[in-house]
Amino acid sequence: EDQVTQSPEALRLQEGESSSLNCSYTVSGLRGLFWYRQDPGKGPEFLFTLYSAGEEKEKERLKATLTKKESFLHITAPKPEDSATYLCAVQVDTGNQFYFGTGTSLTVIP
Amino acid sequence: GAGVSQSPRYKVAKRGQDVALRCDPISGHVSLFWYQQALGQGPEFLTYFQNEAQLDKSGLPSDRFFAERPEGSVSTLKIQRTQQEDSAVYLCASSQRAVREKTGETQYFGPGTRLLVL
Repeated sequence: EDQVTQSPEALRLQEGESSSLNCSYTVSGLRGLFWYRQDPGKGPEFLFTLYSAGEEKEKERLKATLTKKESFLHITAPKPEDSATYLCAVQVDTGNQFYFGTGTSLTVIP
Repeated sequence: GAGVSQSPRYKVAKRGQDVALRCDPISGHVSLFWYQQALGQGPEFLTYFQNEAQLDKSGLPSDRFFAERPEGSVSTLKIQRTQQEDSAVYLCASSQRAVREKTGETQYFGPGTRLLVL
């Protein structure tokens, strides 16, 4: 069964304290892995797409990496405005569905 | 348009009432998805359209849920005889190409409709 698990569920960081969010997946065949940011009361906002193991992408303080079993979202020197829920989703080879994890709620304290 | 829009943003319904939720995707986008997001959870797939064709409705939780996209642009998700367990945020997303045409096609989400059934 295709499954996506994110950890931790919640993370509190001091401003400037770097950390990583994890997304592990068990799917029959991966077509793409996506990271989204979701602010309260809003829809998910696209961050990155990763297609194959070893791939990395960066945007400002965020860097996403992908292996055959998991993806990490590294946050370097976070700021309070980085506070949000970060969602991971996978698209599989078969079917039309995208499977989302439950998200990591990140709070960055000034 | 500039992005995906949804209306209404908030809807309060009495149990048993029918509701209709609208999604305006990004202009020209072939694929359209509906998701249901419960509080504290990730979005869960409901249904997928490629243009006007509903290719996948495997995520619709019951036959009270119905979606359409008659002209391949605007889509409506209808819920008949609403129940309290239908309370959730309903998200619409669109992507430029059909799901099977390209590896990992990015979806762009609307702000969602928050449905509360009393």
